[in-house]
Parts: sequence; structure tokens; C-alpha cells
Amino acid sequence: QVTLKESGPVLVKPTETLTLTCTVSGFSLSNARMGVSWIRQPPGKALEWLAHIFSNDEKSYSTSLKSRLTISKDTSKSQVVLTMTNMDPVDTATYYCARIYSGSYDYWGQGTLVTVSS
Amino acid sequence: DIQMTQSPSSLSASVGDRVTITCQASQDISNYLNWYQQKPGKAPKLLIYDASNLETGVPSRFSGSGSGTDFTFTISSLQPEDIATYYCQQYDNLRITFGQGTRLEIK
Repeated sequence: QVTLKESGPVLVKPTETLTLTCTVSGFSLSNARMGVSWIRQPPGKALEWLAHIFSNDEKSYSTSLKSRLTISKDTSKSQVVLTMTNMDPVDTATYYCARIYSGSYDYWGQGTLVTVSS
Repeated sequence: DIQMTQSPSSLSASVGDRVTITCQASQDISNYLNWYQQKPGKAPKLLIYDASNLETGVPSRFSGSGSGTDFTFTISSLQPEDIATYYCQQYDNLRITFGQGTRLEIK
């Protein structure tokens, strides 16, 4: 059974760095053709892809947020970590991690709402 | 980056109606297009992958078509449980983009 679960702070202050962890089970982060993405959704708005990482450690970032994002993985812990620097209230959103397989997101975490406020 | 233009942004239809949503890519993406359903407070669910393939377990009233830049998602006979927001997503170069979503309501 494949599951993904996001964890991290629910509240961060402006200018702080956000660190989110996605813990996966039911598959290995070393599986070929699979990766894990981070996707966010501001309240009432559309989905926005942030970054992904694949089994060979290939990484890709959203063009608009690239300077603020870092994605990494610890295969032994089955975890993918996203850091986003210089948080702003406009970054308030539900952050999802999802498994990407052949370009499709077939499994998603439940999402975690992160609010940016002083 | 490839832009996805999804329309309409909202749609009201009656149970039993045929519903169609379109997505247009800013450049040729072959068939690298997926469709998702998202219900309030829930994560999106994959319905259609590679433009026209039905994900396992998804009812056959859902279908997709298209290639290149123009894509269509259809519900052949709308059911009450289909009320949700639907998103297209492209992965042509693994730099992912989503459409802006279509909110589907019952008339």
C-alpha cells in the first residue's frame, strides 16, 4: 500500500525558512521512473508545482521559485525534504507531496496547511 | 514554461448531462497530459493519464482525448458524486504545469 505523509510547521513567520518532510511507504525512493514532487495550493486557488526529485537524484524546480527552493531525499529514511526560504504571506497554502510515475501523480499525501503570518 | 489554458473556469450542469472541459497548451506537448479530480478538503485524484487512458478503478463515464496542444475531458453522464474541481496537468519536459481548474456544480 503506497502512502505519502507531509509533516512540518503549521505556522511560520515572514522571512523564515520553511522545511517540509514527506515520508513515503509502499515504494522505494530508489525505484526507477518514480519520483516525488511537492505541489502547493493557496486557499481557493489552483495547484502549483514546486519541485521534484527522482531516484537518480535528478532534480527540477519551478522557474518562478527556483531561487528559494531546495529539494533532497534520504532513501534510507524514505523521506523527501523541501526547504523554501524567505517565506511571505502569499506562500500560505496547503503543501502536498505526491508520487510521480511516468509523468502522472498517482498517489498524493493528505496535504499540510502552512500559514505565513507574524 | 508551458502554459495551460483551461476552460471554462466554472460550469453548472444537471445530473445526466454530458460535460466537457478543455485544456490548451502553449506549445505541442504530444499526449503528455493528465486530468485530476479534486473534492473540497481532499488531495487531487488521477482520472486520466497520457491524454486518453483511464486510471484503474475510475468509472468509464470519464474520458479524455486530444494531442498536440488541444485536449478535452468529458463526463458522459454527470453524477452527483462528480461535483468537484477538475485540473489538467502537462509533463512534456517534466517541468510540470497545471491548468487553472474547472469548478463543476450541479444545476
